[in-house]
Amino acid sequence: ILNVEQSPQSLHVQEGDSTNFTCSFPSSNFYALHWYRWETAKSPEALFVMTLNGDEKKKGRISATLNTKEGYSYLYIKGSQPEDSATYLCASYGGNQFYFGTGTSLTVIP
Amino acid sequence: GAVVSQHPSWVICKSGTSVKIECRSLDFQATTMFWYRQFPKQSLMLMATSNEGSKATYEQGVEKDKFLINHASLTLSTLTVTSAHPEDSSFYICSARDGRTDYNSPLHFGNGTRLTVT
Repeated sequence: ILNVEQSPQSLHVQEGDSTNFTCSFPSSNFYALHWYRWETAKSPEALFVMTLNGDEKKKGRISATLNTKEGYSYLYIKGSQPEDSATYLCASYGGNQFYFGTGTSLTVIP
Repeated sequence: GAVVSQHPSWVICKSGTSVKIECRSLDFQATTMFWYRQFPKQSLMLMATSNEGSKATYEQGVEKDKFLINHASLTLSTLTVTSAHPEDSSFYICSARDGRTDYNSPLHFGNGTRLTVT
């Protein structure tokens, strides 16, 4: 079992603020790191799939970086909007299955 | 594209009864289906992996006779919780993958099912 940890567990930010969260995973036997956005009563929606050390991906105001040597990924949201409110999940593929973190719950206050 | 429909969204049942949860892939062929369970404040935990037309592979500690998985077609997989007990109350969610993808491709999830056993 891989221990995937996310921090913080939750945070509240004001509309317009930028924010970031962390996903930590074991660096050994690494294959891929996924980020998902999960809104209440909906299904998790894929944001990024990252595999290479140093990878940086961007989708609108959201971007992510990956460090496979030290075992962490950062997710950044620039200029948070109320519609960004969701739980952000990361998952690391360890060779035979995905291991998920507990998620970071983001609330953007208008 | 790549929509997975999961039903029901929530269900309340009495202890000792069985509950069936369905996951359907609407616009792709779900060669592989993963079933997860999530307890409060915990992460999604893989229960079993099923491939169309073959028996499911269960993770350690998951009772295969209690959690029956059927993946008889490329668009439908079901999870039946047999003789449910209060400790089975949890959030169950499926995710699907087609045969052309691997860990480099995102998972496609259902909306999940909240099961409460009274």
